[in-house]
Amino acid sequence: GDSVTQMEGPVTLSEEAFLTINCTYTATGYPSLFWYVQYPGEGLQLLLKATKADDKGSNKGFEATYRKETTSFHLEKGSVQVSDSAVYFCALSGRSQGNLIFGKGTKLSVKP
Amino acid sequence: DTAVSQTPKYLVTQMGNDKSIKCEQNLGHDTMYWYKQDSKKFLKIMFSYNNKELIINETVPNRFSPKSPDKAHLNLHINSLELGDSAVYFCASSQETGGSPLHFGNGTRLTVT
Repeated sequence: GDSVTQMEGPVTLSEEAFLTINCTYTATGYPSLFWYVQYPGEGLQLLLKATKADDKGSNKGFEATYRKETTSFHLEKGSVQVSDSAVYFCALSGRSQGNLIFGKGTKLSVKP
Repeated sequence: DTAVSQTPKYLVTQMGNDKSIKCEQNLGHDTMYWYKQDSKKFLKIMFSYNNKELIINETVPNRFSPKSPDKAHLNLHINSLELGDSAVYFCASSQETGGSPLHFGNGTRLTVT
């Protein structure tokens, strides 16, 4: 079945460091891909999405490119801030399914 | 106004009790979901309703019963609560069933003692 694998955390970075969180997927067909962020004590919020190969999703300085050839959707940010500390989830949505399939989440801690 | 709201935010109860969690969305979405997040932050779908009809029912004990009185509400009733039911339960909604982003509520932290 469809699945998402993302790098294990936690990831600890200093402010202004470069961030990469790896995400790869297995799916039939052509899923849409998403990154969600969960701040402490809150629900998940959509961070960015891409719906077809080579699309780049971007928001709040975060970017991810839908790579069909490597079945990847890695999340990047050039300069992280303390306020980016959260848990990040990669997810996919297949056309035949009525729900998102989430990765296990990667906790990011940014130190000042 | 909160788009997806669920109540209560915290729920502490004893084993064997029956409890309900309520969820409402004011986004006009057709599809609503219940997800369970365990202590390791792993998210798993439990149920999905589209226009008040059940479309996804994952392997969940039948002690869990969703109820959708209208397409803006999806409540979760849990009978005979067990210690292993302790988790954070998230309600979510989306415009359509495939490819649309989900809008999540802030979660209900259920603790069974």
